[in-house]
Amino acid sequence: NAGVTQTPKFQVLKTGQSMTLQCAQDMNHNSMYWYRQDPGMGLRLIYYSASEGTTDKGEVPNGYNVSRLNKREFSLRLESAAPSQTSVYFCASSERQGAWTEAFFGQGTRLTVV
Amino acid sequence: DQQVKQNSPSLSVQEGRISILNCDYTNSMFDYFLWYKKYPAEGPTFLISISSIKDKNEDGRFTVFLNKSAKHLSLHIVPSQPGDSAVYFCAASALGAQKLVFGQGTRLTINP
Repeated sequence: NAGVTQTPKFQVLKTGQSMTLQCAQDMNHNSMYWYRQDPGMGLRLIYYSASEGTTDKGEVPNGYNVSRLNKREFSLRLESAAPSQTSVYFCASSERQGAWTEAFFGQGTRLTVV
Repeated sequence: DQQVKQNSPSLSVQEGRISILNCDYTNSMFDYFLWYKKYPAEGPTFLISISSIKDKNEDGRFTVFLNKSAKHLSLHIVPSQPGDSAVYFCAASALGAQKLVFGQGTRLTINP
């Protein structure tokens, strides 16, 4: 039972480098999300995809881009990493587009930008 | 603008006693509320939820209470067990908004 799988689990980047965080879910969920977790800030939504082929901005989208590659996969790209993007990133998926059911989260990617 | 607030960063409770975690929200459009539990180095996992048409939902040792007039919800854990030690996040959503807004989290420690 894989659920939501994120890669990599850890990453260190230099300022200005780019990278893509990968996320895949095997639950046939329509909606997928990227969150970041920072101390004292809780989980903040970066981008989400309500269904295959659509993406929308969340609370903190600046500095990020996303791609909903297919129903299973939703990637997050940092084009030019900044120290402020040091965080733990979580991908999640859920079954419904409208009314919420529970969202399932991946294990997270701990990203450090130096 | 923090729409969901958990004002207690940490809480320490003795094993066997009741743990009460609190959450306040400001957006009156929120109509669905959830609690998530998070262990270190793991993703959050869903614990319990409540719709705005209810004021209480119970699942085993966990009960969530919703007070819409006060825009307040709480999670009660009875009895508390060492395995309950984790960070608890309150979350809320509005129907059709497709966004789940989280609080800052409360670190619960259960002492033997």
